[in-house]
Amino acid sequence: QSVLTQPPSASGTPGQRVTISCSGSSSNIGINTVNWYQHLPGTAPKLLITSDNERPSGVPDRFSASKSGTSASLAISGLQSEDEGDYYCAAWDDSLNGYVFATGTKVTVL
Amino acid sequence: QVQLQESGPGLVKPSQTLSLTCSVSGGSISSGGYFWSWIRQCPGKGLEWIGYIYHNGDTYYNPSLQSLVTISVDTSKNRFSLKVNSVTAADTATYFCARSGGPFYGMDVWGLGTTVTVSS
Repeated sequence: QSVLTQPPSASGTPGQRVTISCSGSSSNIGINTVNWYQHLPGTAPKLLITSDNERPSGVPDRFSASKSGTSASLAISGLQSEDEGDYYCAAWDDSLNGYVFATGTKVTVL
Repeated sequence: QVQLQESGPGLVKPSQTLSLTCSVSGGSISSGGYFWSWIRQCPGKGLEWIGYIYHNGDTYYNPSLQSLVTISVDTSKNRFSLKVNSVTAADTATYFCARSGGPFYGMDVWGLGTTVTVSS
């Protein structure tokens, strides 16, 4: 189990918008920045979003994120088949004094 | 650009020590400014942060793994290492090394990962 909670799955058809939620607490998302990772089958995880809502260079603007209070969300617009994989939110937790990944959400493109 | 590559044995016997190394190319650990991490993914599970090390040797560990894990750095060889003591089948995983700009920041460079199986 993780202190960060995501839905286990999400899906959409090509071109649709998919949103993934990430729920935390005052010791993690509430006071520290949220990062989002994409993990496609057979590849290394990739940083999609850093510092709550900033896209590293090279990440398409189809990916966006936001944060409010102790929750965050990732949105994928214009869903593409190559987006199929696992997505994780993560943040530093002051109570645990460690970096935590959420349980992950498997995105399926129908 | 900076690249990371994990190396180590693919098979470790139960109760033994798992040792992995992450070699850094295209950048210097000793220049500072980055934290160097180990993360693992057990079969069918999500990503699990193991710990960070800074170039001066400062470490942060996952509290749930801290008693069994040691991360060290060798700036002369531009690499950092992970040791997991007294391994069990639960330590079977793909182990990744990664870089971040700080303990709160995202990990922006990752190795491809190395799979370690704990079995007799």
